Amino acid sequence: GAVVSQHPSRVICKSGTSVKIECRSLDFQATTMFWYRQFPKQSLMLMATSNEGSKATYEQGVEKDKFLINHASLTLSTLTVTSAHPEDSSFYICSAPRAEPSYNEQFFGPGTRLTVL
Amino acid sequence: AQRVTQPEKLLSVFKGAPVELKCNYSYSGSPELFWYVQYSRQRLQLLLRHISRESIKGFTADLNKGETSFHLKKPFAQEEDSAMYYCALLAGGTSYGKLTFGQGTILTVHP
Repeated sequence: GAVVSQHPSRVICKSGTSVKIECRSLDFQATTMFWYRQFPKQSLMLMATSNEGSKATYEQGVEKDKFLINHASLTLSTLTVTSAHPEDSSFYICSAPRAEPSYNEQFFGPGTRLTVL
Repeated sequence: AQRVTQPEKLLSVFKGAPVELKCNYSYSGSPELFWYVQYSRQRLQLLLRHISRESIKGFTADLNKGETSFHLKKPFAQEEDSAMYYCALLAGGTSYGKLTFGQGTILTVHP
């Protein structure tokens, strides 16, 4: 199957700093990627849709100025958590649908554990 | 807006027992439904989708449009089935590609 990677796998930062998380599709091109947030033993909450070459689409209640998304190429999307605070601590997961053989199958990254002190 | 409900947060069974993880949905269009599984310390992965009508690892799920359900079933649970299971709905139209997840069910299969 297709592979999606995330970097870093975990990061600890001080309150007020910014953190960048990368999501890469390793063996296929992804014009769209999705960013989720997952709390311990809870569901995945869609934050935004990352679109290559255009602005990201954010879900209701997600601050676009706080969670900056850049889809610089067909294989890379980045999520930057700006001025991070302890309440931003969470598990962030990206996914990418692959057009072939079926656009409807999405492949998930391993996730990034963010801890804000 | 679409919604996916998994009423059971926790489900415990003994090895060899049948298991059913419930999933109900609400969606105005024609739904495409999936079950995803997340084993301990692993990434989320697709288990099965309703359009394939296949059995994966002994699991099956049938879409019941009348009851708006997509329950996941396995006749004889195994210890390695212990994991978090998510039911998900794929929206169409302008929301194409966006998955809506249920709250998840943690399945524990005891020896």
